[in-house]
Amino acid sequence: KAGVTQTPRYLIKTRGQQVTLSCSPISGHRSVSWYQQTPGQGLQFLFEYFSETQRNKGNFPGRFSGRQFSNSRSEMNVSTLELGDSALYLCASSLNPGPYEQYFGPGTRLTVT
Amino acid sequence: DQQVKQNSPSLSVQEGRISILNCDYTNSMFDYFLWYKKYPAEGPTFLISISSIKDKNEDGRFTVFLNKSAKHLSLHIVPSQPGDSAVYFCAASEGGSNYKLTFGKGTLLTVNP
Repeated sequence: KAGVTQTPRYLIKTRGQQVTLSCSPISGHRSVSWYQQTPGQGLQFLFEYFSETQRNKGNFPGRFSGRQFSNSRSEMNVSTLELGDSALYLCASSLNPGPYEQYFGPGTRLTVT
Repeated sequence: DQQVKQNSPSLSVQEGRISILNCDYTNSMFDYFLWYKKYPAEGPTFLISISSIKDKNEDGRFTVFLNKSAKHLSLHIVPSQPGDSAVYFCAASEGGSNYKLTFGKGTLLTVNP
């Protein structure tokens, strides 16, 4: 079974631009969560989607948004990029919502200059 | 406010010996705990979990212990193998609808041959 895939793997953007990251969950998984990993803050929860609905949200500004499609694929968008948004963005999928075992993708490394 | 703390940034052990990774938490609402490990350039991989109704859970070489009164959990790896060298993250979740995961900042385990 194919794992969680994230595209692109690497991205360089300029301050003020916006970016969209994509995540394809494991086949049959309906819940997708997004995390931001930085050296200073570690892994922080962004949001979770299930059945195209946001179920949980972390403490991030409204510039961070996401959505899920009917095939469970998910995208996250960051608008008006700031230097501090430079991070590894990880997507994780699971069969159903909940804190249980999640399967992570390799991440998208975003660099904002 | 860091609700999940891994106070040891790194740990080095000899192959065949026991590795003990520690994690403390402050939120008394946490009732489900997980350990993930992460190799460079890969997403975290689920290792083992424990519910607050238990104080121990074992899976092969990995055992997680939970001490609710001390708000402390630990991961024991016996025997340690060089392939166990990775960053280990502790994560916790509240019950009910607020089940988002809160991660510690990780401990880098190095197992020396």
